[in-house]
Amino acid sequence: DSGVTQTPKHLITATGQRVTLRCSPRSGDLSVYWYQQSLDQGLQFLIQYYNGEERAKGNILERFSAQQFPDLHSELNLSSLELGDSALYFCASSPRLGNEQFFGPGTRLTVL
Amino acid sequence: GIQVEQSPPDLILQEGANSTLRCNFSDSVNNLQWFHQNPWGQLINLFYIPSGTKQNGRLSATTVATERYSLLYISSSQTTDSGVYFCAVRDYGQNFVFGPGTRLSVLP
Repeated sequence: DSGVTQTPKHLITATGQRVTLRCSPRSGDLSVYWYQQSLDQGLQFLIQYYNGEERAKGNILERFSAQQFPDLHSELNLSSLELGDSALYFCASSPRLGNEQFFGPGTRLTVL
Repeated sequence: GIQVEQSPPDLILQEGANSTLRCNFSDSVNNLQWFHQNPWGQLINLFYIPSGTKQNGRLSATTVATERYSLLYISSSQTTDSGVYFCAVRDYGQNFVFGPGTRLSVLP
């Protein structure tokens, strides 16, 4: 157990809908990262927050957004969902910028 | 952006055999990690190793940052070692990139 928690574990929804994925980092970690793992694109970095502020942006679609709250938990919002958004979404945390990342168990999203 | 390659893409071993997995990256990095993704999808940290050598039980890793590669050694493999091994790097431009992975199958 890495200490990073993600909810829900599984999510099934329809095209066009909006969902929110939640992540709680390890105690004391200030950085939160979001990744998408799909069969055709592998593991892709989406976005990083550090102590509430956006720090780095990867291949995140405009339909996706994220934020980190004062208690350091983070949410990833996915809207106007498409079939291709079906994937495993991971959250990771680290104590500081550029440090070792620890991954949560992931949220498996299925868009029908 | 930075490119990360891993070899071999697939590896099948008999239990007890040793193996070496390689990760090549195209630019300087300030962070390199090795992960094991088990058959249940969980990503498990193996090593945080931007440079140097580390060992943890049957596993060890070496990163030669100046030559832009890292190696993961697995000795006396067990069936529980099966899964996909990823290396992931962060370059100085703050980009995080995972390699495509090496899929390892250890047969009893």
